Amino acid sequence: GAGVSQSPRYKVAKRGQDVALRCDPISGHVSLFWYQQALGQGPEFLTYFQNEAQLDKSGLPSDRFFAERPEGSVSTLKIQRTQQEDSAVYLCASSRRSSGELFFGEGSRLTVL
Amino acid sequence: RKEVEQDPGPFNVPEGATVAFNCTYSNSASQSFFWYRQDCRKEPKLLMSVYSSGNEDGRFTAQLNRASQYISLLIRDSKLSDSATYLCVGYSSASKIIFGSGTRLSIRP
Repeated sequence: GAGVSQSPRYKVAKRGQDVALRCDPISGHVSLFWYQQALGQGPEFLTYFQNEAQLDKSGLPSDRFFAERPEGSVSTLKIQRTQQEDSAVYLCASSRRSSGELFFGEGSRLTVL
Repeated sequence: RKEVEQDPGPFNVPEGATVAFNCTYSNSASQSFFWYRQDCRKEPKLLMSVYSSGNEDGRFTAQLNRASQYISLLIRDSKLSDSATYLCVGYSSASKIIFGSGTRLSIRP
């Protein structure tokens, strides 16, 4: 399809494992965002890319979280040494331009045991 | 204090009723505002933009009051299909797109 694609949709990790979540944005979309959404809460901003440049990573909760978008298209969010509090849905969104409408993927639901 | 705050609800109203939600924001530099809708276990989707002059899209009306730093969403003649969580969103820069916690709406037959 032509929408934002995220994988895996579901991930169960043991505490301490590393995980990698992938986002394939809509082709041609310059801006890419990662959000973390806990149950019953709104999406919380993690990081923002404009093409391959990570312009804002102020929302990453700790240095265990790392995101990249090396060729300005696909992005990966990596979480090292996962903790139980990392359990959430991780949403990726892209937009054609900054301040434009955000198009979200279906999210990756991470459960850390 | 969160940058964008909403009444979490839930609002439980009968079909056909009119319902309104407010959202307040603390960052006066916020430039643009939107309402997104999120269905249970789905991703958020844009519902409508919010303009200072107010805007209407069918049964939905959005208003922005910059002096008091709040935005509102009014839904008239509510339908069962309007049941969802409504997220208030503020843009204060290209990267600072902040979501409220959402207001849950449930329409009963």
